[in-house]
Amino acid sequence: EVQLLESGGGLVQPGGSLRLSCAASGFTFSTYAMNWVRQAPGKGPEWVSGISGSGGSTYFPDSVKGRFTISRDNSKNTLYLQMNSLRAEDTAVYYCAKVSGVHYYYGMDVWGQGTTVTVSS
Amino acid sequence: QSALTQPASVSGSPGQSITISCTGTSSDVGSYNLVSWYQQHPGKAPKLMIHEVSDRPSGVSNRFSGSKSGNTASLTISGLQAEDEADYYCCSYAGSSTLVFGGGTKLTVL
Repeated sequence: EVQLLESGGGLVQPGGSLRLSCAASGFTFSTYAMNWVRQAPGKGPEWVSGISGSGGSTYFPDSVKGRFTISRDNSKNTLYLQMNSLRAEDTAVYYCAKVSGVHYYYGMDVWGQGTTVTVSS
Repeated sequence: QSALTQPASVSGSPGQSITISCTGTSSDVGSYNLVSWYQQHPGKAPKLMIHEVSDRPSGVSNRFSGSKSGNTASLTISGLQAEDEADYYCCSYAGSSTLVFGGGTKLTVL
């Protein structure tokens, strides 16, 4: 069974850092691009990062560029999101999502259950 | 990058067909056949229903179909069922290495 399991969420103060992890199983992890998508309470999803299967190419929207870093360890089938300089507006449920193809902009066909990040003093 | 525009809500009776629109610009929806649609039930993760405008993943009912005309993509659900009641989001590649989602549409099955 194809599965994604996020971890690492929690409460962090503004300006703080957090690293999210996403453990993948049931598919050849290195073959597929992966994305992180977040969803603030009562809001629609927002794409926050994408990475190629090899990890050599990464992509970010302006809202997180320079603050967030995405990486992957294909030997451990794990995706990461390093979040620095966190702001209140980063508060959301963060999902990792498997892309249906090799490019991050294809549809996301498998999603994790999400991990909650709360930025507050 | 601005979010894609979706109607806040649509409704239909069981057995009917409904269409949800997703309007972007010539820089996103209009330029790329890279529109996907997601269904989300309360408290659950989004589920891919359509990718690359009109392709349906394995396991998704053929009652769901997608199309695009100009800067507007559409999701049509035929033979509406109670379990289709959910939030629906479109998503498009927007160039400049960016993905953008729509604001979402709440589907109510009357």
